[in-house]
Amino acid sequence: GAGVSQSPRYKVAKRGQDVALRCDPISGHVSLFWYQQALGQGPEFLTYFQNEAQLDKSGLPSDRFFAERPEGSVSTLKIQRTQQEDSAVYLCASSPGSYTHSNQPQHFGDGTRLSIL
Amino acid sequence: GNSVTQMEGPVTLSEEAFLTINCTYTATGYPSLFWYVQYPGEGLQLLLKATKADDKGSNKGFEATYRKETTSFHLEKGSVQVSDSAVYFCALVKGRGSTLGRLYFGRGTQLTVWP
Repeated sequence: GAGVSQSPRYKVAKRGQDVALRCDPISGHVSLFWYQQALGQGPEFLTYFQNEAQLDKSGLPSDRFFAERPEGSVSTLKIQRTQQEDSAVYLCASSPGSYTHSNQPQHFGDGTRLSIL
Repeated sequence: GNSVTQMEGPVTLSEEAFLTINCTYTATGYPSLFWYVQYPGEGLQLLLKATKADDKGSNKGFEATYRKETTSFHLEKGSVQVSDSAVYFCALVKGRGSTLGRLYFGRGTQLTVWP
């Protein structure tokens, strides 16, 4: 596709349920980022992939959060045993360059709005 | 550590007014600086960037100059339009000259422009 695609656009889950959020980056993009944006706040970094390798997961808030990108393209962010504080917009971004040397900025998807009841 | 502080909104202006949104940063080393815009119901879009001191980023009539001495990257536009209504985010990436990496965002400033 022309841009970064995220699905679902909206997700409502009950507290304690597991959820999975999908990101389709721009074809051929090496780098993929996940961010969490709470209401009224700026996005906060969660994790980074270079191809299939998860090089930085320092922003994941707890071990309930897990991300993967097994074939170096589509990525899934999974949240287990969801809590109300997980309610946020989850943004995915991709870029053609690698982490340490690139002049190409990140292209963002429209995000998944997650609401935990 | 690395952080971005931007002026709190909301900012409300009449069409053709002058806009300034202040942004200051704290960073180790020499960061690259960005302004992103988020229109209602849409994702973040890169508005402009600057990768070294004294660089001026510009796009769609918006400008921002990387000021190392004041650690600032204020966004300006001489004459705003209703279509500029959006949330504006200041952000930085660590690393001299690089525009890719973990982004550190400010809280965002809501701009509303009335006709």
